[in-house]
Amino acid sequence: VQLVESGGGVVQPGRSLRLSCAASGFTFSTYAMSWVRQAPGKGLEWVSVVYSPPGSTYYTASVKGRFTTSRDNSKNMLYLQMDSLSPEDTAVYYCVACFDWLSRDFWGQGTLVTVSS
Amino acid sequence: DIQMTQSPSTLSASVGDRVSIACRASHDIRNELVWYQQKPGKAPKRLIYGASSLQSGVPSRFSGSGSGTEFTLTISSLQPEDFATYYCQQHKNFPWTFGQGTKVEIK
Repeated sequence: VQLVESGGGVVQPGRSLRLSCAASGFTFSTYAMSWVRQAPGKGLEWVSVVYSPPGSTYYTASVKGRFTTSRDNSKNMLYLQMDSLSPEDTAVYYCVACFDWLSRDFWGQGTLVTVSS
Repeated sequence: DIQMTQSPSTLSASVGDRVSIACRASHDIRNELVWYQQKPGKAPKRLIYGASSLQSGVPSRFSGSGSGTEFTLTISSLQPEDFATYYCQQHKNFPWTFGQGTKVEIK
């Protein structure tokens, strides 16, 4: 199983960024896919999840309306479109695959997003 | 939102010690709680699911207990590789939420 995040970097406040997560080694379409972030030196914060099917999405309050999680099962890809970024969004963003809460989950290595002018 | 509160925030212990970390939920989450271990620079690793079930491959010195609003992670005999930060997470309601973490340090 491999999850590889990409798309992180330095971005100015108010701008947008799109993260991607390439999945391999498991049946991607059967897993719920989440984003979890961790600000530097801080704890874990769950960001969002997208189910498949039917593609239902849920978000934490601080990103609702600004972030959009989507997936492309034909490409085994997970995305996080982040708009109206603020310095508080600075964090390592992890992609997480979860079949169910009884089975182990899988995490990527994370990608760092820095929001700074 | 369901708030998850861990205590203590930091725990100093020695190899061989028995240690316990508490996690309290602001609302009843039944047993819909997992525990993670995170080492510096690494992704978290799930240890416990369903509040008390050991994830496959996790050493038996780890155990979880509790239901409703009060939960505990116990390490029966602390090993050098157990020095890390531990998080509880509830998945009863959206948004899923983590505790703030408990760092287990070498005494």
